[in-house]
Amino acid sequence: SYELTQPLSVSVALGQTAKITCGGTNLGSQNVHWYRLKPGQAPVLVIYGDSNRPSGIPDRFSGSNSGNTATLIINTVQAGDEADYYCQVWDGGTDLVFGTGTKVIVL
Amino acid sequence: QVQLVQSGAEVKKPGASVKVSCKASGYTFTNYGIGWVRQAPGQGLESMGWISAYSDNTHYAQNFQDRVTMTTDASTDTAYMELRGLRSDDTAVYYCARLDYDDGLSWGQGTLITVSS
Repeated sequence: SYELTQPLSVSVALGQTAKITCGGTNLGSQNVHWYRLKPGQAPVLVIYGDSNRPSGIPDRFSGSNSGNTATLIINTVQAGDEADYYCQVWDGGTDLVFGTGTKVIVL
Repeated sequence: QVQLVQSGAEVKKPGASVKVSCKASGYTFTNYGIGWVRQAPGQGLESMGWISAYSDNTHYAQNFQDRVTMTTDASTDTAYMELRGLRSDDTAVYYCARLDYDDGLSWGQGTLITVSS
């Protein structure tokens, strides 16, 4: 089965830039989506189709995908960005696959 | 806007079954599939499978094939997920989500299922 690997945690100072990677074989050929999870809240889509922002998501969030790695970038990190982030793809068009998840810690 | 409202938290005993509902609104229900994803305490997101609301075709994740049944009721725009033979490690928050290959998932608020004797 297809696997997506993320760093366990990323620490970033307030106001700086956080970069969260998602690795998978030939990932650049797939549509990658990113979700933010906060305790007690439903997951929120923050990037879809590699680099597109849903309405309501600030332009501090951006994404890219090439080769074997997709990246979620959060610019000018705020305290409210502290959360778990997951990448997601479809494997073979039938299996929903999530990354291992990354905890963003704001210092 | 797309909204998925799930049924409330439940406590179940080991060996029991649970059925979680997910009522959709804000879009044409039969145009999209519904997936079910769970998150156990301290763990990541785990896909359980999905159902087409158009055809009722299902695809279950291997880990759940023997214990899960997903259904829909187009007359009420509601999807259901039943999990049988509950174990303590099934304690988790269960989410339904509207599936879209290109535009990502839209999520319900989650349902906490606690399995305890």
